[in-house]
Amino acid sequence: QKEVEQNSGPLSVPEGAIASLNCTYSDRGSQSFFWYRQYSGKSPELIMFIYSNGDKEDGRFTAQLNKASQYVSLLIRDSQPSDSATYLCAVDTGRRALTFGSGTRLQVQP
Amino acid sequence: DAGVIQSPRHEVTEMGQEVTLRCKPISGHNSLFWYRQTMMRGLELLIYFNNNVPIDDSGMPEDRFSAKMPNASFSTLKIQPSEPRDSAVYFCASSLQGFGQYFGPGTRLTVT
Repeated sequence: QKEVEQNSGPLSVPEGAIASLNCTYSDRGSQSFFWYRQYSGKSPELIMFIYSNGDKEDGRFTAQLNKASQYVSLLIRDSQPSDSATYLCAVDTGRRALTFGSGTRLQVQP
Repeated sequence: DAGVIQSPRHEVTEMGQEVTLRCKPISGHNSLFWYRQTMMRGLELLIYFNNNVPIDDSGMPEDRFSAKMPNASFSTLKIQPSEPRDSAVYFCASSLQGFGQYFGPGTRLTVT
C-alpha cells in the first residue's frame, strides 16, 4: 500500500464547476497535509495546508481533512481553464520530510 | 523576496561525466530537500538536510550520488559518473521547521 494515494486522473470538469480532488494516507500519525499545484514543465507550488479536522477555505480553494478516515481533499470552486494542472497531495508524518502522492491531473474544459 | 534558486536550469552531458547541481534556499529556512521527478517514478525524495546536517539520505539511488550543504545558504547535488537513467528534473526545496516546502524552478538534466 502506498503511503499517499491519489487517483491519477485525468479529472475533467467544465468551466465554472466544482473540482474535487481526493487523497488518502496510510500513516495514522500524520500531522499536517499539503496541496501543491504543478503546471506542466514547472515546479510544484504550495497552494493549501491543513492541520486540523474540518474545512479550511482560501479563496476558491477549500481543503478538507478527516483524520479518522485518513482522507484529505481539495475542492476548487468556479473552476477555470487556468486551474488545469497536476495537483499533488503531500503528508507530513512527523519525520520532517513530506511524502508526496503521485498527483491527479485536472483538466478544466472551457 | 527571492525564492529557492537553482542552477543550472538545464544541463546536457555525456554519460560518464560529472554533474553538479546547485541550490540556494530561501533565507531563514532551516530545512533543505533534493527531489528527482520523472514521468515513470513521480517525485522522489533523494536527501534532506536540517540545519545543514543530512538527516535522511535513504532516497539517494547509489554511491554515484552525493550531496553537501556547507552552509545555510548553499547546497550541491553531485552525480559522478552520470548515466542516461539519471535524466530527470531535479528540484531543490526549502522549508522552515518542516512546514510547507517551497520548490525551486528545477534543473532539467539530460545524460546522453
